[in-house]
Amino acid sequence: SAVISQKPSRDICQRGTSLTIQCQVDSQVTMMFWYRQQPGQSLTLIATANQGSEATYESGFVIDKFPISRPNLTFSTLTVSNMSPEDSSIYLCSVQRGGIEQYFGPGTRLTVT
Amino acid sequence: QKEVEQDPGPLSVPEGAIVSLNCTYSNSAFQYFMWYRQYSRKGPELLMYTYSSGNKEDGRFTAQVDKSSKYISLFIRDSQPSDSATYLCAMTAPSTGFQKLVFGTGTRLLVSP
Repeated sequence: SAVISQKPSRDICQRGTSLTIQCQVDSQVTMMFWYRQQPGQSLTLIATANQGSEATYESGFVIDKFPISRPNLTFSTLTVSNMSPEDSSIYLCSVQRGGIEQYFGPGTRLTVT
Repeated sequence: QKEVEQDPGPLSVPEGAIVSLNCTYSNSAFQYFMWYRQYSRKGPELLMYTYSSGNKEDGRFTAQVDKSSKYISLFIRDSQPSDSATYLCAMTAPSTGFQKLVFGTGTRLLVSP
């Protein structure tokens, strides 16, 4: 498995501001993933972050809105920029181990007012 | 149409009951099928995964995949109040390197003592 921590665990932000979410994993991994879990909706992949290269974004998600950094093999950040109430969601990072197994962090609960 | 459909529930059962949780999907390219358990305000926890069709058993949990019907199930025997959580199915295809997980919306399970 993997031990993953996220900071902050929750936040309340005003519209138009930005929030950076941190994800730390207990040992080195090649790929890290960022998901969004909106109320009543399924977990949706935002982007894949590979150390040393640009993140790969899924359809409907753009780098200007969700810039991602991956400075080393145990850490990544996701920024939610110019927030609106529609960005209120739980944001989760995950890592892949054992080929297929993907493990998730505890999530960051974001409320935008 | 969503790629993965899952009844949101809630599904309420008495302690000791056999629980059946199900998902249907539309993309025949999916090859790995996962089940996650998510407690309130926690990240998803990987329970088990299955490759292609067939059954897999792990303790009180049994996962089944019927690719011909595009239907997967998770059975929980002798259900316990501690099993009360939201259960998410997820699946992945080789076209994404088995990295992108596509989730159902989750079924909320309530096991009463």
